[in-house]
Amino acid sequence: AQSVTQLDSQVPVFEEAPVELRCNYSSSVSVYLFWYVQYPNQGLQLLLKYLSGSTLVKGINGFEAEFNKSQTSFHLRKPSVHISDTAEYFCAVSEGTGGFKTIFGAGTRLFVKA
Amino acid sequence: NAGVTQTPKFQVLKTGQSMTLQCAQDMNHEYMSWYRQDPGMGLRLIHYSVGAGITDQGEVPNGYNVSRSTTEDFPLRLLSAAPSQTSVYFCAAGQNYGYTFGSGTRLTVV
Repeated sequence: AQSVTQLDSQVPVFEEAPVELRCNYSSSVSVYLFWYVQYPNQGLQLLLKYLSGSTLVKGINGFEAEFNKSQTSFHLRKPSVHISDTAEYFCAVSEGTGGFKTIFGAGTRLFVKA
Repeated sequence: NAGVTQTPKFQVLKTGQSMTLQCAQDMNHEYMSWYRQDPGMGLRLIHYSVGAGITDQGEVPNGYNVSRSTTEDFPLRLLSAAPSQTSVYFCAAGQNYGYTFGSGTRLTVV
């Protein structure tokens, strides 16, 4: 069965600094990988997804992630963060065709300071 | 375009009561899922459906029932509420790898 580990529960960073949110997964088969963002008191919004092909995936709001099969990782990066990026970020994995059975990590709270 | 609509937004139940959390989508998506979100635990999958008439268990199905009689609706039933079911519940609908989430139902069981 698939599982997801987000290595940092909280990441504080200053505005305009780069950030990396780390995610490792385990699965016995090929996987599809996702990052979602949750702003306070809202549902989750899809940031980006890796299905196949290029291991560098670009998403919305200037975020990107790199799939590393040998290290079973899917880290999320942004070269320069804004106050508005303060939110909780979830890494997720799916083994099913179509992505219907998606399992989430525990989340990383990104806090951007002025 | 509403997307995924969850009702109610807030609910307080007494231990042992039953209730149904409603979820409706207007995107004609095949897949729907229910998650619960608890502090420090992320989202945990309760039940999911790959189409009308087809449901399956997720990570934490005990105490919950679902059915999917139409593409649009995927209600979640709590048969006998327990304090451990205090949580925020999210419904999601999707196809082609990626879900659209509702805004959640905050449930408190006292």
